[in-house]
Amino acid sequence: QQQVKQSPQSLIVQKGGISIINCAYENTAFDYFPWYQQFPGKGPALLIAIRPDVSEKKEGRFTISFNKSAKQFSLHIMDSQPGDSATYFCAASNQAGTALIFGKGTTLSVSS
Amino acid sequence: EPEVTQTPSHQVTQMGQEVILRCVPISNHLYFYWYRQILGQKVEFLVSFYNNEISEKSEIFDDQFSVERPDGSNFTLKIRSTKLEDSAMYFCASSETRNTIYFGEGSWLTVV
Repeated sequence: QQQVKQSPQSLIVQKGGISIINCAYENTAFDYFPWYQQFPGKGPALLIAIRPDVSEKKEGRFTISFNKSAKQFSLHIMDSQPGDSATYFCAASNQAGTALIFGKGTTLSVSS
Repeated sequence: EPEVTQTPSHQVTQMGQEVILRCVPISNHLYFYWYRQILGQKVEFLVSFYNNEISEKSEIFDDQFSVERPDGSNFTLKIRSTKLEDSAMYFCASSETRNTIYFGEGSWLTVV
């Protein structure tokens, strides 16, 4: 119940294309869903986050779509650029706790 | 932009030795965390710290681990007797409120 399942494990997208990464969870107590971007040798950097009272949140080229009934959320990167090549982690946490539970990560490669 | 800073960036230690990893969280943040990432794997929660005490810890955070906030700015993770399987990147993180967590660049620990 504490797991967050992330797919795909890796993704190759052409420059200018849309990258889509999906996550699913079981624990209905989760109420905060961030996405982190990690470059090799660096710490995870908070990209965008959503709470279950909204179905979509957009910040620049990054959009989170949230489906509460399906217990799924996804990250869409529009107009993907080579600089977006990184590992992306979804995560979740709940009101009662402070721990972020991370997915296994998706390695995105944007080819020019 | 304020950031979480960690030292050392890389430490090699002999099995059985004690290690202290240090962190300076973002100055107005109240919640402090340690996470770890074994090479190529997902980020795993170790412990959270709030109001000068541990607020939550994972199964990984056993008796060989301890955390301390020795003064108003530093936050440390001590591993008492290191094992080979403790080799990982250790991330310190902080947040002003729960959930919106900012990570440092990590301390890479190699146990030989």
